[in-house]
Amino acid sequence: KAGVTQTPRYLIKTRGQQVTLSCSPISGHRSVSWYQQTPGQGLQFLFEYFSETQRNKGNFPGRFSGRQFSNSRSEMNVSTLELGDSALYLCASSGDRYSPLHFGNGTRLTVT
Amino acid sequence: QQPVQSPQAVILREGEDAVINCSSSKALYSVHWYRQKHGEAPVFLMILLKGGEQKGHEKISASFNEKKQQSSLYLTASQLSYSGTYFCGTEDAGNMLTFGGGTRLMVKP
Repeated sequence: KAGVTQTPRYLIKTRGQQVTLSCSPISGHRSVSWYQQTPGQGLQFLFEYFSETQRNKGNFPGRFSGRQFSNSRSEMNVSTLELGDSALYLCASSGDRYSPLHFGNGTRLTVT
Repeated sequence: QQPVQSPQAVILREGEDAVINCSSSKALYSVHWYRQKHGEAPVFLMILLKGGEQKGHEKISASFNEKKQQSSLYLTASQLSYSGTYFCGTEDAGNMLTFGGGTRLMVKP
């Protein structure tokens, strides 16, 4: 069974630009969650989608948005990039509530 | 609000035991534990559910005190492969899984 796939692996953007990250979950998984990971901050929850609906949202500004498609693939968009947005963005999929999260290898975003 | 993990870091010799704690100020429905090695994705270790059910690897041991909103992960007879950062994730009534800041574990020969 193929794992969670995130693309691209690395991105370098400049302040003010926008970026779109992609996540393909494990086949059959309908829940996709996004996390931001920075040194010293652990894993910060961004949002969770289930069957194309946003089920939960973390405490991030509106510049961070996401969506999920009918095939459960998900995208995350960050507009008007700031230096502080530099981080590893992890996507995780799961089958249902109380199931383990399966993480992708992440997209490392660098904002200059 | 993030759960609080302790200790923040621990160094062990092979064969020694360690306990990692996770506490929350909210009533919890489940607690997840994951391990992340440097440069890799977090990997699932265990889920502890309200009511006592557990799902996870046989060699991993953990507890969940629902009344105190606390969980502990027990690592016994540690091996070099146990090195990494351990994260606990807590799920509250809002069904949101929030992770702690992590505990860095290093096992030395």
